[in-house]
Amino acid sequence: EAGVVQSPRYKIIEKKQPVAFWCNPISGHNTLYWYLQNLGQGPELLIRYENEEAVDDSQLPKDRFSAERLKGVDSTLKIQPAELGDSAVYLCASSLNQRTQAFFGQGTRLTVV
Amino acid sequence: GNSVTQMEGPVTLSEEAFLTINCTYTATGYPSLFWYVQYPGEGLQLLLKATKADDKGSNKGFEATYRKETTSFHLEKGSVQVSDSAVYFCALSDLDTGRRALTFGSGTRLQVQP
Repeated sequence: EAGVVQSPRYKIIEKKQPVAFWCNPISGHNTLYWYLQNLGQGPELLIRYENEEAVDDSQLPKDRFSAERLKGVDSTLKIQPAELGDSAVYLCASSLNQRTQAFFGQGTRLTVV
Repeated sequence: GNSVTQMEGPVTLSEEAFLTINCTYTATGYPSLFWYVQYPGEGLQLLLKATKADDKGSNKGFEATYRKETTSFHLEKGSVQVSDSAVYFCALSDLDTGRRALTFGSGTRLQVQP
């Protein structure tokens, strides 16, 4: 069974440019998470989806970050415009539901120069 | 709010040494506790978990016991191997509150030397 797939694995962009990350969760998983992991830190939740509904986006900086999960399957996280401080690893995870184990993708490492 | 505190790394051990990585937590509800491991170049993987007080989670020779009285969930292994070198994250999930996602500690890097 395929795990959580994220792309791209690495992205380098100049500040003020837009960037998007894509996540394909495990088939059948209703809950999808986006986490931000700064260097030397643990992941922090950005947003949680239950199917196509964003049920917890309190930590998402909505002035520049946006996310969508069309049809309750794949998800895209976008930053526009990117800032130097956005350099980090963006992790996607999925689970059958909010009470079951979350499986993580390998992440997208973003470098903003 | 919820928080997790881990001992800082890196922790450097010789092969076959005993490992302890300390983890304490603060939670408003009655959380489930987890240890995740991140091997170089790979994603986070669940190592073990415990869902109620005095439960012991175990996997691959690692163990951790949910201690409600000390709000701790220390990770232990009796004899580490070079292949255990990775970053270990303690985490909690508190389904009784609205925040039904994992809260992670800052991670502890383990380096095992042959």
